[in-house]
Amino acid sequence: DPKIIQKPKYLVAVTGSEKILICEQYLGHNAMYWYRQSAKKPLEFMFSYSYQKLMDNQTASSRFQPQSSKKNHLDLQITALKPDDSATYFCASSRTGGDNERLFFGHGTKLSVL
Amino acid sequence: QQQVRQSPQSLTVWEGETAILNCSYEDSTFDYFPWYWQFPRESPALLIAIRPVSNKKEDGRFTIFFNKREKKLSLHITDSQPGDSATYFCAASGGSGTYQRFGTGTKLQVVP
Repeated sequence: DPKIIQKPKYLVAVTGSEKILICEQYLGHNAMYWYRQSAKKPLEFMFSYSYQKLMDNQTASSRFQPQSSKKNHLDLQITALKPDDSATYFCASSRTGGDNERLFFGHGTKLSVL
Repeated sequence: QQQVRQSPQSLTVWEGETAILNCSYEDSTFDYFPWYWQFPRESPALLIAIRPVSNKKEDGRFTIFFNKREKKLSLHITDSQPGDSATYFCAASGGSGTYQRFGTGTKLQVVP
């Protein structure tokens, strides 16, 4: 059974629209992350949360907003979508968010912006 | 600025040979270096990791060699198997920010 669930698996959006990517983890971890993977920039870190608080943000654009409603949830809202946002978005988690912890990745949401 | 670099971008070896994947980093405060592998249409998964207190970490056919002075490390895969064909990512964390920074990956193909 997948321990990190991402919804949807595939997503097609039109330029200018808004989408929310869902992530839930059932590993009992306290830290969650978003990474983005595309042909241009493989596995690019976006956000990290630990105990539902923002730890790091390396995303230049405010169009990307993480949302943590519960300890095991970290959704990603993307507004004003652009074709350049097309990528696979991976949610990940680790035990506490310490800097020497293994990351566990979800299966990803592949976003295509037309 | 790319903080973690990998080479080569792609590598082809014959089954049974040793594959050597290279990684270098910029920030001397990094203190955790995991390697992840990713098979086509799957998500990355941890393969093996090392901390700077050691200069070598071995797990079966996979060995990390670490050179702190030169800020370089390498992943050696001995007796390579076709099932090892994947993209390998070197990552690093520590210093400013606890998140793991990933290199651009090495795509390994093992030919039977």
